[in-house]
Amino acid sequence: AQKVTQAQTEISVVEKEDVTLDCVYETRDTTYYLFWYKQPPSGELVFLIRRNSFDEQNEISGRYSWNFQKSTSSFNFTITASQVVDSAVYFCALRSTNAGKSTFGDGTTLTVKP
Amino acid sequence: GAVVSQHPSWVICKSGTSVKIECRSLDFQATTMFWYRQFPKQSLMLMATSNEGSKATYEQGVEKDKFLINHASLTLSTLTVTSAHPEDSSFYICSARGVPYNSPLHFGNGTRLTVT
Repeated sequence: AQKVTQAQTEISVVEKEDVTLDCVYETRDTTYYLFWYKQPPSGELVFLIRRNSFDEQNEISGRYSWNFQKSTSSFNFTITASQVVDSAVYFCALRSTNAGKSTFGDGTTLTVKP
Repeated sequence: GAVVSQHPSWVICKSGTSVKIECRSLDFQATTMFWYRQFPKQSLMLMATSNEGSKATYEQGVEKDKFLINHASLTLSTLTVTSAHPEDSSFYICSARGVPYNSPLHFGNGTRLTVT
């Protein structure tokens, strides 16, 4: 069975602060894919980043960066210099090649105050 | 980028009636579509997986006779809530996945269903 845990239910920061969203996952599969999605107040989920289990290189894309640690089964997501528009619910998701479907965490509500 | 169109965005219906929600992939072929239900301040709950040309695979606890799913083409899947009741009121979201396998999900805007 797959499981995704986002321990942080809500996070509140002030604009321009950096913020890291935590994600811990469980799977027995050796090949899997991890995703972060953003759900703004409008409701539509938007894909942010993806990481394959066989690629542990961490990257930076604009204000987004992620830290994939296979040894600890974690896939943390960092927003640098947060902005008010970053306020949303962020979901971490796991998909393995065997399961096919994605398993979502419970989400972390990020509030960025001006 | 890949676009998924979901209609209607919101619908209010009377108890006992049926409601159809459409999900279309506009610029890519979606071999697999997923239907989710989301309660306020909660995560996405997968209802069923829809593969083009075959029967949908429902998650445990989801009534297949109540939530009818049809995936007749590579670009269209529909969810029909039959004989809707107030407890069916929720936010329904469709998503589509193209190729390759590790492609992210592309989501529709969601449908807010209110059953009175």
